[in-house]
Amino acid sequence: GDSVTQTEGPVTLSEGTSLTVNCSYETKQYPTLFWYVQYPGEGPQLLFKVPKANEKGSNRGFEATYNKEATSFHLQKASVQESDSAVYYCALTGTGGYKVVFGSGTRLLVSP
Amino acid sequence: GGIITQTPKFLIGQEGQKLTLKCQQNFNHDTMYWYRQDSGKGLRLIYYSITENDLQKGDLSEGYDASREKKSSFSLTVTSAQKNEMAVFLCASRGTVNQDTQYFGPGTRLLVL
Repeated sequence: GDSVTQTEGPVTLSEGTSLTVNCSYETKQYPTLFWYVQYPGEGPQLLFKVPKANEKGSNRGFEATYNKEATSFHLQKASVQESDSAVYYCALTGTGGYKVVFGSGTRLLVSP
Repeated sequence: GGIITQTPKFLIGQEGQKLTLKCQQNFNHDTMYWYRQDSGKGLRLIYYSITENDLQKGDLSEGYDASREKKSSFSLTVTSAQKNEMAVFLCASRGTVNQDTQYFGPGTRLLVL
């Protein structure tokens, strides 16, 4: 079946440093790839999605490229802020499918 | 815009008890989901429903029942709560526009004594 593997947390950074959260996936389909973010006490919310291979998604300074050859979708940000502290989930869904497969989540802690 | 409401926000139960969690959405979305969230394990799908009165089992359906009596609501029942169980249950919905994006509620936090 489909699976998503991402960086194990917590990831602890100082404000202003760069972030990379690795995400690798396995599927026999042509998936749409997602990054969701979850703040304390809330449900996950979409950060961005990329439906096509070799394209990049971005939002709020975060970005990731859908790399079909490497089956990867790594999340990056050049300069993190304390307000970025949250749990980040990589996920995929197949074309026309209803199920979404989530990674185990990566907790990011940013100190001022 | 729309919103997903989950009730109750916190649920404390006893071992062996049947517990029901409720979810309402006003997006007018067709598809709704229940996930269980445990620390370090991500989100695991319990049940989903493609339309009113439809039910589909997810990977973690054993020990749970679900009900979709109308388009806007989706209930989940823990059939027999397990002692010391602690988890967050998340409800989500998805529509036909941006049909691959899920919108989540804030969750119900369960603790079984």
